[in-house]
Amino acid sequence: EVQLVQSGAEVKKPGESLKISCKDSGYSFTSYWIGWVRQMPGKGLESMGIIYPGDSDTRYSPSFQGQVTISADKSISTAYLQWSSLKASDTAMYYCARFTSEGAFDIWGQGTMVTVSS
Amino acid sequence: DIQMTQSPSSLSASVGDRVTITCRASPDISNYLAWYQQKPGKVPKLLIYAASSLQSGVPPRFSGSGSGTDFTLTISSLQPEDVATYYCQKYNSVPLTFGGGTKVEIK
Repeated sequence: EVQLVQSGAEVKKPGESLKISCKDSGYSFTSYWIGWVRQMPGKGLESMGIIYPGDSDTRYSPSFQGQVTISADKSISTAYLQWSSLKASDTAMYYCARFTSEGAFDIWGQGTMVTVSS
Repeated sequence: DIQMTQSPSSLSASVGDRVTITCRASPDISNYLAWYQQKPGKVPKLLIYAASSLQSGVPPRFSGSGSGTDFTLTISSLQPEDVATYYCQKYNSVPLTFGGGTKVEIK
């Protein structure tokens, strides 16, 4: 069964760095795009960007360009989302999801809650 | 950037009612439109892709239609388990923008 397993919840202080992960199990990690989606508390879904682990081609949504870094390590079938300096406004649930041009975001991770508070 | 305008933002309907949610894209996105269901506290779930294709395992009371700029998600007979927020999303190119969501409740 195809599955995306995300790293656990994080509590951080403003200004700290963070890298969360999304590990694929069960399908060919290098054959599909992986996307990251933000959901702030009580709000809707926002697409942050996508990465093709096969060649690390990365596309950012304009709102998130320069704010986060999306990367992948195909040797361990894992995608990452990282921040160099967190802000309170980064507090949100973050989902990774498999993206295909045929089926959009068809498989989702369980989500990683990031809380940034002093 | 392409905007995705979803309406209504919320609705309340009775069990068994036919429910319709609309999504408007500007400009044209052909049929690169998906619909997702997110139940409270849960992970979003893909319902419809390519505007009208039903994802495997999704009940047939859900259907999608439209092409170009105007799209519709229909629940033919609303069930209690359909209480959720529904999102459209365009995926022809980055940014893969979501609509604002429609919260569906039972009257």
